[in-house]
Amino acid sequence: QKEVEQNSGPLSVPEGAIASLNCTYSDRGSQSFFWYRQYSGKSPELIMFIYSNGDKEDGRFTAQLNKASQYVSLLIRDSQPSDSATYLCAVNEGGGNKLTFGTGTQLKVEL
Amino acid sequence: EPEVTQTPSHQVTQMGQEVILRCVPISNHLYFYWYRQILGQKVEFLVSFYNNEISEKSEIFDDQFSVERPDGSNFTLKIRSTKLEDSAMYFCASSDVSLIYTEAFFGQGTRLTVV
Repeated sequence: QKEVEQNSGPLSVPEGAIASLNCTYSDRGSQSFFWYRQYSGKSPELIMFIYSNGDKEDGRFTAQLNKASQYVSLLIRDSQPSDSATYLCAVNEGGGNKLTFGTGTQLKVEL
Repeated sequence: EPEVTQTPSHQVTQMGQEVILRCVPISNHLYFYWYRQILGQKVEFLVSFYNNEISEKSEIFDDQFSVERPDGSNFTLKIRSTKLEDSAMYFCASSDVSLIYTEAFFGQGTRLTVV
């Protein structure tokens, strides 16, 4: 059973702090890794995706990928209350067109 | 900004009835997907569709489910005989190329309630 694992949280951080969200995956054939944000009752909204080892930055967000350790993370700098949501890690298993999602980490940014 | 649109936003149906969920993917996209999310659970893959045929499907996508691209813009999911456990949010998504190289964009979802 191929799995994508995330800590369900909630992860609480103060406003302005860095939030660090982690994800591990079991399928070594996975090639692309995605972070989505989901507000309650809404659809997943793409934050960013990464397919090369290392860091990828987009504004306040940085995705980090380590394929040897089968680990992907998302850093959110200068966290805002509007960042409070569930963050979903998704992986394309076997390099195909199927995304496997983790259960998501609930982030709470407190004033 | 282009977006994936889904109709209806909420569908209530009686157990055993057929439902069709509709999606209009982003216009230049070639890959189409259906996912579902049961309340409180994770997003689950149902099926991917490319070049007018199913390219992958999950164990959930059994004979009760079918997909169709009836014209150049719509992509539909049909559930032939709904069960209580089909109650979920159903998300349509699309991508312009394979997910190895790009991201999938999700529609706002259809909440299906089977009573």
